[in-house]
Amino acid sequence: DAGVIQSPRHEVTEMGQEVTLRCKPISGHNSLFWYRQTMMRGLELLIYFNNNVPIDDSGMPEDRFSAKMPNASFSTLKIQPSEPRDSAVYFCASSFYGENYEQYFGPGTRLTVT
Amino acid sequence: KNQVEQSPQSLIILEGKNCTLQCNYTVSPFSNLRWYKQDTGRGPVSLTIMTFSENTKSNGRYTATLDADTKQSSLHITASQLSDSASYICVVSDSGGGADGLTFGKGTHLIIQP
Repeated sequence: DAGVIQSPRHEVTEMGQEVTLRCKPISGHNSLFWYRQTMMRGLELLIYFNNNVPIDDSGMPEDRFSAKMPNASFSTLKIQPSEPRDSAVYFCASSFYGENYEQYFGPGTRLTVT
Repeated sequence: KNQVEQSPQSLIILEGKNCTLQCNYTVSPFSNLRWYKQDTGRGPVSLTIMTFSENTKSNGRYTATLDADTKQSSLHITASQLSDSASYICVVSDSGGGADGLTFGKGTHLIIQP
């Protein structure tokens, strides 16, 4: 079975540029999560979707961040314009909706903004 | 404010030895506690999930304990192997059920030396 797929795996961009991260969840899962991980702050939940609908985006740091899930098999996280402090590893995870349901993480996208 | 504190921050042990990682939390109300293993350059992978009524759960050489009264959990690794080198993240969920009820620890970085 294919796990959660993220692309690109690495992204280097200059400050001010638009960055789009992509995620394909595990087939059949109906919840999708975007996380950011840094050494200083650890893992932080940015936003999550249930059945393609954004449920909570309170973790999105600023209006420069936006996320979409046009269908059950695809989601994007966009940063526009990017800043050096956005440099981090961004993870996508998916699960069946429910309190104890396991989240399966993708391999992450390492973003470097210079 | 809900918090999850993990200790030690980092740990180095010799291959074959046992070790115990600690997780203290102030999340309330409590729903479940998860331990994740994160290899370098990869996404977190679930080791165990424990609900209020469970005080011990094993997954191979990994044994997690939970004391809901003192709000403490531990992850014990027996007969460590080089492949156990990773970060171990404790995640506690409140009874809200949604992903926004998850509180993440910053992890313990474990290094196994031959």
